[in-house]
Amino acid sequence: GQQLNQSPQSMFIQEGEDVSMNCTSSSIFNTWLWYKQDPGEGPVLLIALYKAGELTSNGRLTAQFGITRKDSFLNISASIPSDVGIYFCAGPRGATNKLIFGTGTLLAVQP
Amino acid sequence: SQTIHQWPATLVQPVGSPLSLECTVEGTSNPNLYWYRQAAGRGLQLLFYSVGIGQISSEVPQNLSASRPQDRQFILSSKKLLLSDSGFYLCAWSGTGRTGGTEAFFGQGTRLTVV
Repeated sequence: GQQLNQSPQSMFIQEGEDVSMNCTSSSIFNTWLWYKQDPGEGPVLLIALYKAGELTSNGRLTAQFGITRKDSFLNISASIPSDVGIYFCAGPRGATNKLIFGTGTLLAVQP
Repeated sequence: SQTIHQWPATLVQPVGSPLSLECTVEGTSNPNLYWYRQAAGRGLQLLFYSVGIGQISSEVPQNLSASRPQDRQFILSSKKLLLSDSGFYLCAWSGTGRTGGTEAFFGQGTRLTVV
C-alpha cells in the first residue's frame, strides 16, 4: 500500500546539535504534516504545510514542502533533551483524504 | 474546539478475554476515524479506518474488529485476546477536507497488556 518513507530511522545526537530528517513518497501530496510523539503519548501535530515550496517554522522547528510535492523536510535547531521522541510525517490521500503516516524517525538527545 | 477522548489509559487482560476500547470525538461532524497499534518505539500500524457510521475499512488481517455506531464514536473490539494483541493503541480523527483541514488529532492512547 501507499507508504511514506522517513529517513533516518533513528538519530542519536548531542544536545545543541541541529537535526534534519526527511520524508519521501512515490506519489504527490497536496498537504504535508509533521507530528511528534512523546513516549507513552499520542502524536501531536507540529507543523502543517499546504503549498509546494512552502517553508514554515514553529519555534526551533522548520519544515519545508518539497517542490516536487513528493517530499518534505523537518529541521530542528539547537536540540534540547525534550526533543526526544518519534517524529512522523503524514499526508492525505484519495477521495476521502485518508491520512497516510510515515515510518517515523526516532530521535534521542544526549544531554 | 475539537477534543478526542480515548479510554482506558491502561489495561491488563488475560488471554482469551474480550476487549472493548472506546474513542469519542467532540466538536466536529463527519470526521474520518482511525485505530492504530504501535509496538514500543516503532511506527504506527493502521488497523481500521472509517469515513462514516457503519463504514469500516480493515487495513490488516487480525484478531480485532471495529465499529462506528455513532458519527463520533469508534470502538475497537476482540472476542478473544491473544498475547500478540498487546501493544499501544491509538485512536485518531481527521477532517475530510470538505469543510475544513485534513490534519489528524490523536487520543492519549491505551496501553494493552495481554497476560
